[in-house]
Amino acid sequence: QKEVEQDPGPLSVPEGAIVSLNCTYSNSAFQYFMWYRQYSRKGPELLMYTYSSGNKEDGRFTAQVDKSSKYISLFIRDSQPSDSATYLCAMKTGANNLFFGTGTRLTVIP
Amino acid sequence: GAVVSQHPSRVICKSGTSVKIECRSLDFQATTMFWYRQFPKQSLMLMATSNEGSKATYEQGVEKDKFLINHASLTLSTLTVTSAHPEDSSFYICSADHRGNGNEKLFFGSGTQLSVL
Repeated sequence: QKEVEQDPGPLSVPEGAIVSLNCTYSNSAFQYFMWYRQYSRKGPELLMYTYSSGNKEDGRFTAQVDKSSKYISLFIRDSQPSDSATYLCAMKTGANNLFFGTGTRLTVIP
Repeated sequence: GAVVSQHPSRVICKSGTSVKIECRSLDFQATTMFWYRQFPKQSLMLMATSNEGSKATYEQGVEKDKFLINHASLTLSTLTVTSAHPEDSSFYICSADHRGNGNEKLFFGSGTQLSVL
């Protein structure tokens, strides 16, 4: 079983839709949870960073962490064509090593 | 966010040659940098952890003699792919550990697309 599971998609939504991206994990020691956005042939860009359980909101983006279910989510409201990218979840314990999901490829159709 | 610069962004080389990729943290010091490899439509695979002033730690299955890592300063780590072969063609990405406000965050370079002919 992989440390982090993420549906690779692809996911296509119309402009303005709410997008829900999810990851599950098996290691209960994970405490730091991140979402990265990666455009084609570019490095990942940190979008959201959450410590432990709870919600965090930043503009159109909301990250949720449910440690009891080992489940994290990223919601994108009022999605835009510029949001089209691959979204990677990542998580770690107190150590430096990040464990990544496979990434979900999102296309927002104008 | 913090800025990590990676150079070159793209390199094409002949089989058997060596290629050096640089990763710099521009506005912060990074005691730890990471090197990843990414194949098309796949996630990032950690290759090695680079610590300033000490030997890099390689992940299982990564040849340390083939992928030479040097982290000579707090702002620069280099990855040298020695005697490159076509199967080494991939997208290589570095990241640097930024510690600020009590949080540890990893920021990534823009990646290097290596094509070995």
